[in-house]
Amino acid sequence: GAVVSQHPSWVICKSGTSVKIECRSLDFQATTMFWYRQFPKQSLMLMATSNEGSKATYEQGVEKDKFLINHASLTLSTLTVTSAHPEDSSFYICSATDRVAQETQYFGPGTRLLVL
Amino acid sequence: GQNIDQPTEMTATEGAIVQINCTYQTSGFNGLFWYQQHAGEAPTFLSYNVLDGLEEKGRFSSFLSRSKGYSYLLLKELQMKDSASYLCAVTRGATNKLIFGTGTLLAVQP
Repeated sequence: GAVVSQHPSWVICKSGTSVKIECRSLDFQATTMFWYRQFPKQSLMLMATSNEGSKATYEQGVEKDKFLINHASLTLSTLTVTSAHPEDSSFYICSATDRVAQETQYFGPGTRLLVL
Repeated sequence: GQNIDQPTEMTATEGAIVQINCTYQTSGFNGLFWYQQHAGEAPTFLSYNVLDGLEEKGRFSSFLSRSKGYSYLLLKELQMKDSASYLCAVTRGATNKLIFGTGTLLAVQP
């Protein structure tokens, strides 16, 4: 089946530094990738939608200059949290859709970010 | 805007049946997904309903009524490993963006 990986799975960083999270579709070409954020005991909140070769579309309230998204190929999207602060500590999850079943999103295992 | 509601928590007994409801109000509705999420893990796909009616898949079934803006997930022969959060999500418009409900935390007890 469709497999999506994320790297790293865990990251701890100091306040003010930048963190890059990778999302890869391993056995399919992802037409679209999505980035979500999930705070403890809350549901997933969509941050942005990313299509290969074009600029990401951000949801209302998500700062595009703080959360940089690059979708350079059909199998890789990256999310960079710039100048991270403790309030950015969260569980970041990506998902991807393939060309065949574009309505079904396959989720990566998530990246837990802790900003000290 | 959109509104997707689920009960926050439910408790059920091993071997029993439980029904988790989801109501939604959204324009441009395409379809409704159910996902299971264990603590600290990513969601896993359970079901997708586009048309009205019941979709059965093993121990799990999902129902949709588009006219009522209502869905439910039915879990039969509950097992301890079914203890998890169950997320209802709708897609709308041309982008297939998933809008998640609040999630229901299910605790299965012996």
